[in-house]
Amino acid sequence: EPEVTQTPSHQVTQMGQEVILRCVPISNHLYFYWYRQILGQKVEFLVSFYNNEISEKSEIFDDQFSVERPDGSNFTLKIRSTKLEDSAMYFCASNYLAKNIQYFGAGTRLSVL
Amino acid sequence: GDSVTQMEGPVTLSEEAFLTINCTYTATGYPSLFWYVQYPGEGLQLLLKATKADDKGSNKGFEATYRKETTSFHLEKGSVQVSDSAVYFCALSTSAGGTSYGKLTFGQGTILTVHP
Repeated sequence: EPEVTQTPSHQVTQMGQEVILRCVPISNHLYFYWYRQILGQKVEFLVSFYNNEISEKSEIFDDQFSVERPDGSNFTLKIRSTKLEDSAMYFCASNYLAKNIQYFGAGTRLSVL
Repeated sequence: GDSVTQMEGPVTLSEEAFLTINCTYTATGYPSLFWYVQYPGEGLQLLLKATKADDKGSNKGFEATYRKETTSFHLEKGSVQVSDSAVYFCALSTSAGGTSYGKLTFGQGTILTVHP
């Protein structure tokens, strides 16, 4: 069965550094999403992406965050200058909207020290 | 805005016990409703879904019925197994034709532990 792949599984970085989280969505999917889950808290929507542009973003998704789909297969989330509070599990999801089901990757655990 | 409220956890049961995890929602429009499950160390997997009132989603012995009148989508299973131990998330999304492009709004998650 096709799946969403995220790399790395765990990323450790120093505060203030830039990080890029990578995702390979399912190949025929059209909508892409990033969510995050701070330890012990809800899974929160960050951003949705369609047709090479952001469709919607939450208030969490400020100027420190950006997304792109550079080569038609990868979907990346960049955090420009990480803060301690960015430490969380980040999930990528993709959706073929005819079924309106989002498929999630296993996540990248980001630890900001 | 949209919101989902799940019963407080964690829930601890013995094998073969009956499970109910309550979920209620607030949404503009007519949402689709989902239960996702997260096993230890893994990502979220869709467990079941329902897209209109009175629909019943079911999978792996789990069931949930979309109740518009009570804005609820409670998860039930008649006989739980140790392998059902996981975190369960109730979620909703608005229709694909809406402006939200199907983003999911999650409840806080309920940790289920099943003992032999």
